[in-house]
Amino acid sequence: AQSVTQPDIHITVSEGASLELRCNYSYGATPYLFWYVQSPGQGLQLLLKYFSGDTLVQGIKGFEAEFKRSQSSFNLRKPSVHWSDAAEYFCAVEDYGQNFVFGPGTRLSVLP
Amino acid sequence: DTAVSQTPKYLVTQMGNDKSIKCEQNLGHDTMYWYKQDSKKFLKIMFSYNNKELIINETVPNRFSPKSPDKAHLNLHINSLELGDSAVYFCASSPRGTSYNEQFFGPGTRLTVL
Repeated sequence: AQSVTQPDIHITVSEGASLELRCNYSYGATPYLFWYVQSPGQGLQLLLKYFSGDTLVQGIKGFEAEFKRSQSSFNLRKPSVHWSDAAEYFCAVEDYGQNFVFGPGTRLSVLP
Repeated sequence: DTAVSQTPKYLVTQMGNDKSIKCEQNLGHDTMYWYKQDSKKFLKIMFSYNNKELIINETVPNRFSPKSPDKAHLNLHINSLELGDSAVYFCASSPRGTSYNEQFFGPGTRLTVL
């Protein structure tokens, strides 16, 4: 069965610092990959997605993610974090329309 | 206009009661889902419906029964509520039939069972 791991439960960065959130998946082929963000008390919002092609994908709010097949990773990055980025971030995998599996999430705190 | 809406936003009830959560999407999507998010923020799919037909039914107690009167609605009915049912329940929809399966989420329903 496919799985998604996010090794960091909680990350704290200072405002203006760079950010990288890690995501690894376990799947036989290249799945569809997603990053979602959940602000406190809110639903999930899609940040970006990867299906094929260029392995560096751009998303909303200045986020980007890089797919690395050799490492089964899809890490999320942002060059300069804003206080409003404090939220829970979920990596997810979809196996060609069969099922959608979320990682356990990484909580991001931003220091002023 | 809200794309995926859920009612109610908060639900507090006693053990043993029966309750329903409603979900509606106005995106014209074919597929709808119910997810449960526990207190540790772990998100797990419960059900998936495609055009009113059940296509995913994860290991969920049969006290949980989804109902899809039409493809724009997927309601979740829960019988004999237990303390462990306390969680946030998210409805989502996706345009199945396209080449990808991006999901659009509702705002969630926080269920508290006392």
